[in-house]
Amino acid sequence: QVQLVESGGGVVQPGGSLRLSCAASGFIFSHFPMHWVRQAPGKGLEWVAFIRSDGSDIYYTDSAKGRFTISRDNSKNTVYLQLNSLRSEDTAVYYCAKEKPISGFDYWGQGTLVTVSS
Amino acid sequence: QTVVTQEPSLTVSPGGTVTLTCASSTGPVTSGNYPNWFLQKPGQAPRSLIYSTTNRHSWTPARFSGSLLGDKAALTLSGVQPEDEAEYYCLLYYGHVPNWVFGGGTKLTVL
Repeated sequence: QVQLVESGGGVVQPGGSLRLSCAASGFIFSHFPMHWVRQAPGKGLEWVAFIRSDGSDIYYTDSAKGRFTISRDNSKNTVYLQLNSLRSEDTAVYYCAKEKPISGFDYWGQGTLVTVSS
Repeated sequence: QTVVTQEPSLTVSPGGTVTLTCASSTGPVTSGNYPNWFLQKPGQAPRSLIYSTTNRHSWTPARFSGSLLGDKAALTLSGVQPEDEAEYYCLLYYGHVPNWVFGGGTKLTVL
C-alpha cells in the first residue's frame, strides 16, 4: 500500500535551517508529482511547493520563494524540502502529498512538526 | 493574492444532507481549477475525498459527491453519518501562476 513518511522536523531558532524528507513506498515514485503542504497550529492548510515527477517543474507559494527549496531523488523514492531563513510564522506541521494527475491530491503523509523559536 | 472562501461552519442532523461550497476571489470556479476536497479530523492528517471536481477516490464513500454549483465548487454529503463531523477543505489550482490555494475550511458539526 502507498505510504508517505515525513521526517526531519524539530525545533530551530529564527534564521535557522532544516531539511525535511518524505520517503515514499507502494507506488512508482518517479511517475508522480509531489507537493508539500503545511498547517500552522490551530490554522488551516497552506500549499507550499510542487515538484514534477522528473523535477523539471518546480513551483512555490510566495512566502516560500527564495527561502525554501523542494527537490527529489527518484533513486531513493524521496522528496525533500529545504527550509532556510526560518521565521516564527513558519512554525507548522509539514505534510507531503502525492499528486494523482491532473492536480488530484490522493495520499498524504502523517506530517512532521517544525517549530521556529528562540 | 488569491483568496478561496468556504463557509466557516455548518451544522447538519444525522441522516441529513448538507452542501459545502468553495468560491474564488478571481471569479467563477471552473473545471480548470480542478477542485479537490479533503477531510481532516483533530490530530490527524488530511484525507482526500474528491479530485477534479467530481471524482471520488477508491476509498471515498458514495455519500460524498462533488460538483460545480453556480460560480462555486461544491461538496454534498447525503445521509450524513456522525463520523462525518470534521473540518473540510477545498483546494483550487490556478494554472496561469501556477499555484494551488486552499480554502479556509468548513467545520461541519453533526448533531
